Amino acid sequence: GDSVTQMEGPVTLSEEAFLTINCTYTATGYPSLFWYVQYPGEGLQLLLKATKADDKGSNKGFEATYRKETTSFHLEKGSVQVSDSAVYFCALSDPKGAQKLVFGQGTRLTINP
Amino acid sequence: ETGVTQSPTHLIKTRGQQVTLRCSSQSGHNTVSWYQQALGQGPQFIFQYYREEENGRGNFPPRFSGLQFPNYSSELNVNALELDDSALYLCASSSRTGLETQYFGPGTRLLVL
Repeated sequence: GDSVTQMEGPVTLSEEAFLTINCTYTATGYPSLFWYVQYPGEGLQLLLKATKADDKGSNKGFEATYRKETTSFHLEKGSVQVSDSAVYFCALSDPKGAQKLVFGQGTRLTINP
Repeated sequence: ETGVTQSPTHLIKTRGQQVTLRCSSQSGHNTVSWYQQALGQGPQFIFQYYREEENGRGNFPPRFSGLQFPNYSSELNVNALELDDSALYLCASSSRTGLETQYFGPGTRLLVL
């Protein structure tokens, strides 16, 4: 079945450092890809998405490009802030059928001032 | 525009009891999906409701059941609670037009003792 694998955390960086969180997927169809963020004690917030190959999703300085040839959707940010500390989830959705989201295990990010 | 809301926020039950969780979908959304997020894990798809009918189910036993009402709000019912049912239960709503994004509520944290 469909699956998502994220780089294991936790990840700890200093403020203004460059961030990469790796995400690869396995899917039989042509999924949409998402990054969701979860702040402490809260639900999931959509961070960005891409619906077809070579699309780039971006939001709040974060970017990710849908790479079909490497089945990847790595999350990047050029200069992180303390407020970016959260758990980040990569997910896919098959646009056919029930459109359920399949999530990775999450990567906890901590940014130190 | 009102976002996705869930109630209650926290709940404590004992093994063998039954629980009902509630979700109000975002305005204009007709599809509700439920996910279970165990501590330190990514959310797992339970089932989805579209126009009051179940439209896809994950790998959860029949004691997990649901309803969707004409106003598109939804309930998740869990019978014969087990310790492993302790988790954050997330509701997400979307419009069923193929590639629509799912928007999540804050979740209900269930503890089974």
